[in-house]
Amino acid sequence: AQTVTQSQPEMSVQEAETVTLSCTYDTSESDYYLFWYKQPPSRQMILVIRQEAYKQQNATENRFSVNFQKAAKSFSLKISDSQLGDAAMYFCAYRRIYGDDKIIFGKGTRLHILP
Amino acid sequence: DAGVIQSPRHEVTEMGQEVTLRCKPISGHDYLFWYRQTMMRGLELLIYFNNNVPIDDSGMPEDRFSAKMPNASFSTLKIQPSEPRDSAVYFCASSPAGGAGAYNEQFFGPGTRLTVL
Repeated sequence: AQTVTQSQPEMSVQEAETVTLSCTYDTSESDYYLFWYKQPPSRQMILVIRQEAYKQQNATENRFSVNFQKAAKSFSLKISDSQLGDAAMYFCAYRRIYGDDKIIFGKGTRLHILP
Repeated sequence: DAGVIQSPRHEVTEMGQEVTLRCKPISGHDYLFWYRQTMMRGLELLIYFNNNVPIDDSGMPEDRFSAKMPNASFSTLKIQPSEPRDSAVYFCASSPAGGAGAYNEQFFGPGTRLTVL
């Protein structure tokens, strides 16, 4: 069965600095999708960035980028120029391309932004 | 599009009462998911539907929980009777049809915060 592990329950970063959130996953599939979701205090789950496993190029969305290491089954999220609005819980997630349509979520990392 | 709509946003009830949570998915989405989020257990998938048909309900904690999707635009999650340990935030999410070439991103509703006294 697929699993997603986020080993950092909480992290803090100074405003304007860069922070990296870690995520590892376990799967026997060769093709799949990976996601990072953000959940601010409002509780709304918001998709931050997504990656297709068959693409070697790392996804980037403005200040958010990923470091996708397929062989290592690692999918970290880098936030550059951290802003107060980035404070949230971040969830790493996995989904198969074929078959089971469930998304498997990690336990989350709570990110604090220090002014 | 208004996004996924959930009601109510907050529900406070007493132990033993029946609770019904409602969800309207994004129009055209084929999949609907119900999640429960607590501090202790994180985000748990309870059940999901494809084209109104329940596909996997292995996450439903016990017989007190039931979910229905009578049509493509409406789903309910019912707890009867409710217990204090059911207190949590319940999310509904929807996604378009899957397969290669589709990201299968799930779009979440704002959640219902349930408190059972």
